Parts: sequence; C-alpha cells; structure tokens
Amino acid sequence: EAQVTQNPRYLITVTGKKLTVTCSQNMNHEYMSWYRQDPGLGLRQIYYSMNVEVTDKGDVPEGYKVSRKEKRNFPLILESPSPNQTSLYFCASTGLAGGTQYFGPGTRLLVL
Amino acid sequence: AQRVTQPEKLLSVFKGAPVELKCNYSYSGSPELFWYVQYSRQRLQLLLRHISRESIKGFTADLNKGETSFHLKKPFAQEEDSAMYYCALSTRMDSSYKLIFGSGTRLLVRP
Repeated sequence: EAQVTQNPRYLITVTGKKLTVTCSQNMNHEYMSWYRQDPGLGLRQIYYSMNVEVTDKGDVPEGYKVSRKEKRNFPLILESPSPNQTSLYFCASTGLAGGTQYFGPGTRLLVL
Repeated sequence: AQRVTQPEKLLSVFKGAPVELKCNYSYSGSPELFWYVQYSRQRLQLLLRHISRESIKGFTADLNKGETSFHLKKPFAQEEDSAMYYCALSTRMDSSYKLIFGSGTRLLVRP
C-alpha cells in the first residue's frame, strides 16, 4: 500500500530537548516536504527536498533542520524546541512530475 | 508573489444547500491548482485537481484564469462534507517545485 508514515504520532517534550520526527514514504517519490498546521494559519511549509541531498527552506524554517540521506526518509529535527513550535506537523511526498501530494498522518507536538 | 487566498475561515450551511468555497491565487506562471480535504482527525487527502476536471463526491472546481480563482462548488451539501478544505497551488521554477496552501476553510454542514 502506497503511504507516508510518521513517527511518533504524539510527542510531549520540554524546551531545549532535541527531538526528531521521522517521515518515510514507499512510493519512490523524489519530492518530500514538511508542514506545520496551526489554527487560523493553515498549512505552512517548513522545509522541502527535491531529491537525495537536496533540501531547501520553506516559509517557516527557523528552529528546524532536515536531512535527506535516502530517498524514502526525510526526518525533521528540532535541535532546541521552544513552546512556539507546539503544532501539528505533516510530512508529504510527491513525484517530480508533480500532481498529488500524499500526506502522512501527522505528528502532534507539545513543547512545555 | 505566489499566494493562495481563502477568504472564509468558516462556512456554515444546512444540509441540501449549495456550497461554494472560494479560492483566489496569485501566480505569474501557468498554475496547477488543487483542493485538499481534511476530515476530523485524519490526514489531508486530495479532493480534486484542475487538470483532471473531475467531479469527486459531487464537488467540482473550475479554473478561471481571468479572475485567478478556483472556487470549489457542490450543489447539495451533505453532513459528511463537514471538514477542513484547503486550496493549493503548485509552482515550478527552474528545478524547484513547491506547493503553496491557502489558510483553509472549515465547512460545517448542519442537519
């Protein structure tokens, strides 16, 4: 089954404690992306990757890092989380030909 | 600048009433537009895209380049249509590909 998976689905942490949210897709998609979803602000892109070792900033990259060492994985790293990073995070992927973006189930993060 | 605008945060209608969710975009190139839907506690999923010109779950959307709009319509709303709807614009520039979302409209269909 074609899918995008994220882990963990829920996470409560404290300010400053490094964390990683994993994202994996099994569709051999080149393009992967991270979004955060906040009430009233919709979806905002954090980082995206056009292919292995190719990443670029989205609209709200501050406080986040990503890496793309393998085509299927695109982890999101928060080196020093802060309360304003409390949000719902979605990973997505699509083929380079464009078209439908497939979304992961979301990771709800609470930073105390 | 590339932008997607959904002017309504909330749209509330009665079951059986027509629905129109507005979407306007700003993009100098040739746009590719989508509507995504997010049902309660679920992931976003594609509802329809303008190039396919399909009708999905009774919804249609027509790209109007003159008005730079891609409004989503359904003649008779159902309670199960209650969800968050996002309009999105995909852009290509050189080797870069990006999907830009609007802020979303919550559709509430009341019995």
